[in-house]
Formats: sequence, structure tokens, C-alpha cells
Amino acid sequence: DIQMTQSPASLSASLGETVSIECLASEDIYNNLAWYQQKPGKSPQLLIYYASSLQDGVPSRFSGSGSGTQYSLKINSLESEDAATYFCLQDSEYPYTFGAGTKLELK
Amino acid sequence: QVTLKESGPGILQPSHTLSLTCSFSGFSLSTYGMGVSWIRQPSGKGLEWLASIWWNGNTYNNPSLKSRLTVSKDTSNNQAFLKVTSVDTADTATYYCAHTPSNGFDYWGQGVMVTVSS
Repeated sequence: DIQMTQSPASLSASLGETVSIECLASEDIYNNLAWYQQKPGKSPQLLIYYASSLQDGVPSRFSGSGSGTQYSLKINSLESEDAATYFCLQDSEYPYTFGAGTKLELK
Repeated sequence: QVTLKESGPGILQPSHTLSLTCSFSGFSLSTYGMGVSWIRQPSGKGLEWLASIWWNGNTYNNPSLKSRLTVSKDTSNNQAFLKVTSVDTADTATYYCAHTPSNGFDYWGQGVMVTVSS
């Protein structure tokens, strides 16, 4: 199975700041990497697919980058609504695997 | 507009079989490239992909659950199904179904909580 190591596990930042979340795959996943946002009691929402493609309706302050085994999610100009847990997913091969999540807190 | 909704028993006893239904609209599981996936999440924990079923009937299960999973579909009624046999307390989680095009899970249901308890 492909292991997804996500960091950091938690993050505290202020409104307006820029933050990055990383996912490291145990092998090349050929950009088959998605990012999700999940708020308490809600379903995950797709933000980014294929490493850097922005899902329709997602604010442009979210961006994804990376290749090979290393990927990152960047959130510019943090807003209060960005407080959530973020997960990466590799869908390069079965079994699909998720990162453990990053809890983003707004100061 | 793609929507999905899961339904299930809520609570069941250990060793029993969990049966879940995903009712969806806005797409067809007979359309080339379309799929539905099942994912679960224990309370306060991370996400685990369980299984996917595709427009052509191909299915893929997470081997971590060994042979306990069966996924199927009813194309005519826009439903997908997940069965998990021999459940135990470790299967207590919120179960989601999700629309699965070629990349990622782009639309998710609201989830259904399942508790395994005697």
C-alpha cells in the first residue's frame, strides 16, 4: 500500500496569513493527489484534484502543487471559514489512501 | 446537480452483517467513467477508503478488510450498496459514499453513523 505522510498534524495561524500543508507519498503517485477540507460534523469537500487543479467553486486562495512523491496545499490570505481539518488522498493505485489530516486553527 | 445519500441500520450487533445503501442523483452508474466509492471515518479519526464500483461493474475493495466487503449497484434505481460481514466494534464509524469520476471523490453524501454494539 502507498503510505501518505501528512504534516503538520496541527497548525495555528492568524487571519490573512499564508499556510502550507504537505503530503509525502511512499512512492511516486504521478500527481494523482487530491486535497479535502472537512469541518466538524460535515462531509469532506474536494478542494484540489490531480495535484493542482482547483475544483469548481473553490476560492482561488487555495492552490496545490507538487510531483512525484511530494505535494503541498497552500492557503493564501486565511479567512475565518478556513478553520477545518485538511486531508490528502492518493488515488494513483488501490487501495486508495488518505493522509492522517491537518487540523487548522485560526488564532 | 450531483447528490448522494447514505442509509443504513444505525446500530447493529457484533458478528452481524452491515448493509448500506447509497442513493444518488445527477449521474448514472452506467455512464462510462463513473464510479461510486465508500469511505468511512471513526469518530474523531481519519478517513479510510473501503471500496469502489465502476460503470462497467468492476469493483475494488480495501484488502485491509480482507474478504468482508461486497459492493454492488442497481443502475436502474441509481443506487449502490455496501455490505460488511462479521462486524465488530472497530467498524463503528460514519460511512460515506462518494461520486468517483476519474480523479478523486468530488461529491460526498452526508454520511451515515453506524454503531456496532451488543
